[in-house]
Amino acid sequence: AQRVTQPEKLLSVFKGAPVELKCNYSYSGSPELFWYVQYSRQRLQLLLRHISRESIKGFTADLNKGETSFHLKKPFAQEEDSAMYYCALSGRTGFQKLVFGTGTRLLVSP
Amino acid sequence: KAGVTQTPRYLIKTRGQQVTLSCSPISGHRSVSWYQQTPGQGLQFLFEYFSETQRNKGNFPGRFSGRQFSNSRSEMNVSTLELGDSALYLCASTGQGANSETQYFGPGTRLLVL
Repeated sequence: AQRVTQPEKLLSVFKGAPVELKCNYSYSGSPELFWYVQYSRQRLQLLLRHISRESIKGFTADLNKGETSFHLKKPFAQEEDSAMYYCALSGRTGFQKLVFGTGTRLLVSP
Repeated sequence: KAGVTQTPRYLIKTRGQQVTLSCSPISGHRSVSWYQQTPGQGLQFLFEYFSETQRNKGNFPGRFSGRQFSNSRSEMNVSTLELGDSALYLCASTGQGANSETQYFGPGTRLLVL
């Protein structure tokens, strides 16, 4: 079964502190992994995908197949990073079915 | 390019009624996916349409249906509404080529069933 687990509902940090949002997945095969973000009053949007190996807004995520994890990290959090973050997986290339985690709300305080 | 649009943005219905939601994808995108978002269940996949054909389906009852038109616009229909159908319904469109795995989401239609 496909499953994405985000263990933290809320992560609260101070500006400048490192951030790690955890994501673990269950999938028998090679999934595509994504992080989506939803800022206040905005629509859900892609932050990054593992296949791109990009750093977006200072965030990175490494796919660890051994631990089946795809944690999102940023060395220095900014107040504008406050948002809802969703980890998601897609099981088959070209078939647009995303399985989402329950989301983690990141709150960055000044 | 204009983003994904959804109409209406808000709806109030009563139990037993049926409802139709509309989604216009980004120009040139041929795949449209639908999701239901609730506080209890989170984001759940409903179905996906590509070139007017349902290509993938989630675990929802048959009361939930959809279709796609030749211009890639999509509609979803929920018949015999139940209180538990109250949710935010999101649609997402996907293009082809380098960003073929990126889904672009609309603002959603918030449905309240009384």
